[in-house]
Amino acid sequence: QLQLQESGPGLVKPSETLSLTCTVSGGSISSDSYYRGWIRQPPGKGLEWIGSIYYSGSTYYNPSLKSRVTISVDTSKNQFSLKLSSVTAADTAVYYCARHRSYYDVFDIWGQGTMVTVSS
Amino acid sequence: EIVLTQSPGTLSLSPGERATLSCRASQSVSSSYLAWYQQKPGQAPRLLIYGTSSRATGIPDRFSGSGSGTDFTLTISRLEPEDFAVYYCQQYGSSPATFGQGTKVEIK
Repeated sequence: QLQLQESGPGLVKPSETLSLTCTVSGGSISSDSYYRGWIRQPPGKGLEWIGSIYYSGSTYYNPSLKSRVTISVDTSKNQFSLKLSSVTAADTAVYYCARHRSYYDVFDIWGQGTMVTVSS
Repeated sequence: EIVLTQSPGTLSLSPGERATLSCRASQSVSSSYLAWYQQKPGQAPRLLIYGTSSRATGIPDRFSGSGSGTDFTLTISRLEPEDFAVYYCQQYGSSPATFGQGTKVEIK
């Protein structure tokens, strides 16, 4: 059964770079032809898609965050990663990784999420 | 970007009652690419409905979706205790994918 698990620091200082990793188990990133994405949810608020990556490495991002986001994949570790630079308190959120089958598709499998707080 | 507006913000109902949730888009949703998710406290969202009206694997048939263009509806025919949660709509027909702000279904 496919599972996704986010990991990374729970506290990041303002102006620094937030770095998270999503580890995929129960399946291989390099052989299943799926996309993987990052979605975040500020406390008590709704969901925001950050960006996605194909197993080949091609990426696409939400224009609202594009200048600060980098998503990469490491097929040898069965992981994909998120970097968000120049963070502020507004980036405080639960960050989820999730799978989707194609460029325009639903998120059908989600990680449990990891809370990241931006504070000095 | 397509903005999704969900109503009502909160729905107070009793178990066994029917729930009707609305999602309105700022422009037509391409190919009816509209989905619904359920989220319980401390949990990730769970996919319920995709393509406006198709139930995801394992979703009971008391959940149904309908609509087209800019107006979409999620109906829960008879609320079970485990259905009290927050529900989000999402359009995925154009990039960026966007979500509504959510409707909370609470026990009356």
